[in-house]
Amino acid sequence: DVKVTQSSRYLVKRTGEKVFLECVQDMDHENMFWYRQDPGLGLRLIYFSYDVKMKEKGDIPEGYSVSREKKERFSLILESASTNQTSMYLCASSIGGVGNTIYFGEGSWLTVV
Amino acid sequence: EDQVTQSPEALRLQEGESSSLNCSYTVSGLRGLFWYRQDPGKGPEFLFTLYSAGEEKEKERLKATLTKKESFLHITAPKPEDSATYLCAVFGSGNTGKLIFGQGTTLQVKP
Repeated sequence: DVKVTQSSRYLVKRTGEKVFLECVQDMDHENMFWYRQDPGLGLRLIYFSYDVKMKEKGDIPEGYSVSREKKERFSLILESASTNQTSMYLCASSIGGVGNTIYFGEGSWLTVV
Repeated sequence: EDQVTQSPEALRLQEGESSSLNCSYTVSGLRGLFWYRQDPGKGPEFLFTLYSAGEEKEKERLKATLTKKESFLHITAPKPEDSATYLCAVFGSGNTGKLIFGQGTTLQVKP
């Protein structure tokens, strides 16, 4: 079974804090993704990566950055958290190329106060 | 513009009452249509991938079908544990590898 593990399920952070969301996959997948999910807006892609040290902006990259130093790990960084970044964050992975099934983690609920 | 539209937004069924969820899509060159199930507070769980018109996939009480413009998720004799939000997604046009999601259908099955 594909396993995408997000290290923190629930976080509460203060405005202006730097926040790290960590994600690890155990299937040697080349592609990794970060989405956020909000009521009424659905899932929106923040960043994705096709390879180690490689990143591409998604639809809503503003206020976020990512890091992929190892193939199995993809980190989402909120440089200075703001209340409008309160959301559910979903990490996902897939094998390389386009058209392959994307598998999601359990999600990280972030509240910024 | 690439688009995925799911209907209905919400569906209430009695246990055993079969029905279908619809996913209409507009994309140039379909490279895969995906169905996911999402329980409250959890990440989407993969159900099916369909690649070409006429293809069908089944899993327990669920059956997914695909035409050139839409996909259906048929639920036969549903049980309360089938209650969840069902998401449909397709890969967008071009070579970005980006999934385009519909808004989902929230299914409630009452005993």
